[in-house]
Amino acid sequence: TQLLEQSPQFLSIQEGENLTVYCNSSSVFSSLQWYRQEPGEGPVLLVTVVTGGEVKKLKRLTFQFGDARKDSSLHITAAQPGDTGLYLCAGATGGGADGLTFGKGTHLIIQP
Amino acid sequence: NAGVTQTPKFQVLKTGQSMTLQCAQDMNHEYMSWYRQDPGMGLRLIHYSVGAGITDQGEVPNGYNVSRSTTEDFPLRLLSAAPSQTSVYFCASSYSTAGFSYNSPLHFGNGTRLTVT
Repeated sequence: TQLLEQSPQFLSIQEGENLTVYCNSSSVFSSLQWYRQEPGEGPVLLVTVVTGGEVKKLKRLTFQFGDARKDSSLHITAAQPGDTGLYLCAGATGGGADGLTFGKGTHLIIQP
Repeated sequence: NAGVTQTPKFQVLKTGQSMTLQCAQDMNHEYMSWYRQDPGMGLRLIHYSVGAGITDQGEVPNGYNVSRSTTEDFPLRLLSAAPSQTSVYFCASSYSTAGFSYNSPLHFGNGTRLTVT
């Protein structure tokens, strides 16, 4: 069973600060996805990274896939209250039919 | 565009009762799946289907049954509810017949919150 460790579990910061969330594993993944989930809703895909070393930017969010495809990070610049939510990373090991391996998530609160 | 629709949103059951969680998608997706989300455990796959008439077990299938008679619907049945099945259940679908892929992400419903007393 592949495991994805996310850190930190909880993070509360002030508006305007920067932050980084980490997703680590001892397993190699063919791709890794980041989701954001708001209370009472399902996860919504933010980005998929496939190539080792890949960096993707989504406005103030920067996602990086580790060179060995075992880890990933999400960096948020100048966080805003609208960034508040549960951030989940999920790794796929192959075709994906048997599902993604999800991390336990990072609860992020951005205080105005 | 409705996407993935789950009903009911909330349900309370007594131990031993049975029920069916409904999931329907209107995106003509071949792949459908059920996850449960528990505090401190993350999302775990219960069952999945890569097309009508085909189902398979995920990581935590015990106590749950599924069937896929149409492309649109993928109901999850609890045969005899137990307190350990208290959780939030999510249905997810994808266009790819191999499951999700880079160009075919998972689309989640908004969940069913189930409490078993």
